[in-house]
Amino acid sequence: EVQLVESGGGLVQPGGSLRLSCAASGLTFSAYWMHWVRQVPGKGLVWVSRIRPDGSGSNYADSVKGRFIISRDNAKNTLFLQMSSLRVEDTAVYYCARDRVAGSGSLDVWGKGTTVTVSS
Amino acid sequence: QSALTQPPSASGSPGQSVTISCTGTSSDVGAYNYVSWFQQHPGKAPKLIIFEVTKRPSGVPDRFSASKSGNTASLTVSGLQAEDEADYYCSSYTANYMVVFGGGTKVTVL
Repeated sequence: EVQLVESGGGLVQPGGSLRLSCAASGLTFSAYWMHWVRQVPGKGLVWVSRIRPDGSGSNYADSVKGRFIISRDNAKNTLFLQMSSLRVEDTAVYYCARDRVAGSGSLDVWGKGTTVTVSS
Repeated sequence: QSALTQPPSASGSPGQSVTISCTGTSSDVGAYNYVSWFQQHPGKAPKLIIFEVTKRPSGVPDRFSASKSGNTASLTVSGLQAEDEADYYCSSYTANYMVVFGGGTKVTVL
């Protein structure tokens, strides 16, 4: 069964850091672009970042550029999102997702999400 | 990057059809055939129902269809069923190597 499982969410103070992980199973992880998408409960989906299959390139939403870093360990089938200088507005459920079409946003496999709360 | 524009709500009776629009710009929807549609039920992760403008992943009923004209994409749900009541989001690849989502449309089955 193809599965993505996020972890690492929690409560952090403004200005703090957090590292999210996304463990993949049942798929050839190293063959796919991967994305992070976030959602404030009751609000819409917001794209955060994407990374190439080999990890050689990545892109970010303007709202997180310079603060978040996406990375991956293909040997461990794991995707990461290092979040720093966190703001209250970064509070959301963070989903990792697989892209079936070369970074285009055709996200066909999603995890259940991990909740990040930024609050003092 | 501004979000794509979707109507906040749409509704129809069982068996009827409902169409949701998704308006972008010539730098996203109008530039690429990389429009996707997602269905999300409360408390669940999104589910891909359309990719590359018109393609359905395996297992998605053919009641779901989509198209694009210029900077606007559309999703049509035919033969509405109770389980189609959900939030629907469009997304598009963009000219600055990002992905942008629409604000979402809540579909109600009357």
